[in-house]
Amino acid sequence: GQNIDQPTEMTATEGAIVQINCTYQTSGFNGLFWYQQHAGEAPTFLSYNVLDGLEEKGRFSSFLSRSKGYSYLLLKELQMKDSASYLCAVPQDTDKLIFGTGTRLQVFP
Amino acid sequence: DADVTQTPRNRITKTGKRIMLECSQTKGHDRMYWYRQDPGLGLRLIYYSFDVKDINKGEISDGYSVSRQAQAKFSLSLESAIPNQTALYFCATSDPGHHTGELFFGEGSRLTVL
Repeated sequence: GQNIDQPTEMTATEGAIVQINCTYQTSGFNGLFWYQQHAGEAPTFLSYNVLDGLEEKGRFSSFLSRSKGYSYLLLKELQMKDSASYLCAVPQDTDKLIFGTGTRLQVFP
Repeated sequence: DADVTQTPRNRITKTGKRIMLECSQTKGHDRMYWYRQDPGLGLRLIYYSFDVKDINKGEISDGYSVSRQAQAKFSLSLESAIPNQTALYFCATSDPGHHTGELFFGEGSRLTVL
């Protein structure tokens, strides 16, 4: 089975750095996804990690440790527009994506 | 124009009514999915299809049915809607040949069952 845990809510200040953690348990590992979802909108793809380590993409980075069943999304130089939910997801049985409940991030001025 | 289009975007209906949510895509992807999203529960998979002749149940298929009319079309039906099916529904597509196999989502269909 699949179990994905991430914090429900986080707050941060504009210009700061925030780290959103995700832990997962899977019967087999086929990569980990992060999605961003603004309120009332569709999720959009942020990152995909299949190997251990840090993947950097502009202000956003994603880290994976397969041995620990752990990932985090790092957001730097926070902007107000980064206020959104961040969804961690892993494929189940290689063919369907299962999502965590999401972390709602609020960025304050 | 959106690559993955859902209709209707908003629908209010009454208990016991039959409802169909439609999804069409221009991405040429074989794989299509229906998810529902509820506050505090995240996105949950209802049904998915890997080609026109393939239909698979997801985590929460009870009370729902689907039809894959063509590669580009995947519809979700609620035969007899009930209030706890009030949710935001998303259609998504993916291409297994893509290096990440990421999902591409439609804009969502908000369904309210009274």
